[in-house]
Amino acid sequence: GAVVSQHPSRVICKSGTSVKIECRSLDFQATTMFWYRQFPKQSLMLMATSNEGSKATYEQGVEKDKFLINHASLTLSTLTVTSAHPEDSSFYICSARDTGSSYNEQFFGPGTRLTVL
Amino acid sequence: RKEVEQDPGPFNVPEGATVAFNCTYSNSASQSFFWYRQDCRKEPKLLMSVYSSGNEDGRFTAQLNRASQYISLLIRDSKLSDSATYLCVVKGNNRLAFGKGNQVVVIP
Repeated sequence: GAVVSQHPSRVICKSGTSVKIECRSLDFQATTMFWYRQFPKQSLMLMATSNEGSKATYEQGVEKDKFLINHASLTLSTLTVTSAHPEDSSFYICSARDTGSSYNEQFFGPGTRLTVL
Repeated sequence: RKEVEQDPGPFNVPEGATVAFNCTYSNSASQSFFWYRQDCRKEPKLLMSVYSSGNEDGRFTAQLNRASQYISLLIRDSKLSDSATYLCVVKGNNRLAFGKGNQVVVIP
């Protein structure tokens, strides 16, 4: 099946630093990628929809200046958590939609666990 | 009201037994329905889509009730490897909405 990778898988940083997370579709093109966040024992919450070549669409309550999204190519989207704080500690998961598939199936990356000290 | 509601459990199930759980969704215009499996500290993985007529995949049976807006999952002959959190996922307006998940613990 289609593969989506994320890097890094785990990151620990100091409060106030910025962290960049990469999401790559390895064997298919993805015009659309999605960024989710999951707190312990909570559901995945969609943060934003990333569209190649255009601005991301953010969900209500998600600060676009804090969570910068860049989708510069059909296989790569990045999420930058700027000036991270302990409350940003979470499991960040991306997914990519296979543009070439008639089912438009979404494939999830393995997630990035962010811990802000 | 949340888009997708699930009873988180945990559901403690003796090995070999049957367990069933469901979720409710609020958007009557939802188009597609899925069950995902999520293991601890891992990403969710698609278990099965849910069709209006109900569908089965091995020991797993999914049902959809559009009138009452709920989806169910039944696991027969539970295996230890079935221990995981099962996420109810509803698609509408081109986006996926996730429930909190039903945590299943299969006990030897």
